[in-house]
Amino acid sequence: NAGVMQNPRHLVRRRGQEARLRCSPVKGHSHVYWYRQLPEEGLKFMVYLQKENIIDESGMPKERFSAEFPKEGPSILRIQQVVRGDSAAYFCASSPGPTDTQYFGPGTRLTVL
Amino acid sequence: AQKITQTQPGMFVQEKEAVTLDCTYDTSDQSYGLFWYKQPSSGEMIFLIYQGSYDEQNATEGRYSLNFQKARKSANLVISASQLGDSAMYFCAMREGRDTGGFKTIFGAGTRLFVKA
Repeated sequence: NAGVMQNPRHLVRRRGQEARLRCSPVKGHSHVYWYRQLPEEGLKFMVYLQKENIIDESGMPKERFSAEFPKEGPSILRIQQVVRGDSAAYFCASSPGPTDTQYFGPGTRLTVL
Repeated sequence: AQKITQTQPGMFVQEKEAVTLDCTYDTSDQSYGLFWYKQPSSGEMIFLIYQGSYDEQNATEGRYSLNFQKARKSANLVISASQLGDSAMYFCAMREGRDTGGFKTIFGAGTRLFVKA
């Protein structure tokens, strides 16, 4: 009974490179959420997706960040041309429906050198 | 605008005693959900307890209970019989309701709990 899986758990990138973070939701969950956590802070909502659709991206920076949740495969959060300020923990959560409890993955810790 | 406030950056509690972690929220929605998550030093986010805005009974899950006072807009977490393993960061969160048309969840800044032996 696998929970939310994220990979990689740790990712190191140099400034200007691309970072791709993957999230496999709980089996049967079609709703995926991405959050960012800066050191010593709470989680900040980034984007909410259903299969093949972005429902709410009000927390996503307008540039360099994109997310997708294809019909097959994991959800991907992509950060292009990373900067030091992108260093954070990125959490993915999933739920069976939009009003159900969200269950979190272990997070991906991104470090930008 | 929706907002979650946790006013206690850090709390200490003696092992086996009860502790209350405060959380207040602000929303204009009539329907919303309140959550508590635990984040140990390993970093994962662990769901603890949920309270719906229309639930009349306070939620309980084992040693966790949620003291829900709707009129005061507070949703405090009570941990009974604290254990050393309870030392962690605790986040209060609120899911938007249908009234606003969105379903994102917003988090408070967290309270770090230290359980003393």
